[in-house]
Amino acid sequence: ETGVTQSPTHLIKTRGQQVTLRCSSQSGHNTVSWYQQALGQGPQFIFQYYREEENGRGNFPPRFSGLQFPNYSSELNVNALELDDSALYLCASSSAIRLAATDTQYFGPGTRLTVL
Amino acid sequence: AQTVTQSQPEMSVQEAETVTLSCTYDTSESDYYLFWYKQPPSRQMILVIRQEAYKQQNATENRFSVNFQKAAKSFSLKISDSQLGDAAMYFCAFPANTGNQFYFGTGTSLTVIP
Repeated sequence: ETGVTQSPTHLIKTRGQQVTLRCSSQSGHNTVSWYQQALGQGPQFIFQYYREEENGRGNFPPRFSGLQFPNYSSELNVNALELDDSALYLCASSSAIRLAATDTQYFGPGTRLTVL
Repeated sequence: AQTVTQSQPEMSVQEAETVTLSCTYDTSESDYYLFWYKQPPSRQMILVIRQEAYKQQNATENRFSVNFQKAAKSFSLKISDSQLGDAAMYFCAFPANTGNQFYFGTGTSLTVIP
């Protein structure tokens, strides 16, 4: 177990709706990253938060947004859902701001989002 | 741009045998880590092994070892004495230039044959 939890496990939404996914990081981990993993693909970086500030963003539109809270929890919000947003969403926490220098990221089990 | 390539979408190995999964990458960083992650059907991404690029010695974790060729930008994973529980997707990953994200390969699906 990595100590990183995510909720819900599965979620079904319809196109145009909004969704909020939640992650609880390991205690003491100030960095959380979110990834989208389409079926049969590797995870794609969405963004990273460090101490409640966005600290890096991948090639995702602004309708993907996030929040990080002082209690090591975080959220991924997606507005105006599209069919292509159907994927496994992973969060990962780390103790360092610069992932190139850190030991590792610890991943949660993911939330499977289906958009109909 | 950073890239990471896993050229083997699927691999299979007999139980107790050895298998090697390939990964190549491209980065302009000089000091970085490289990672292999395992993702079983439970979806939990689990760290298998990591390699520090400035260390010439290949990393080893029990039955898992890497063959790291920095000049060739190659980072392969060797699994010895394969077990049924090793069956999973394996992803090679490395950090981007900004140091704020990881690039993952497309994965290799490993089947272990009893």
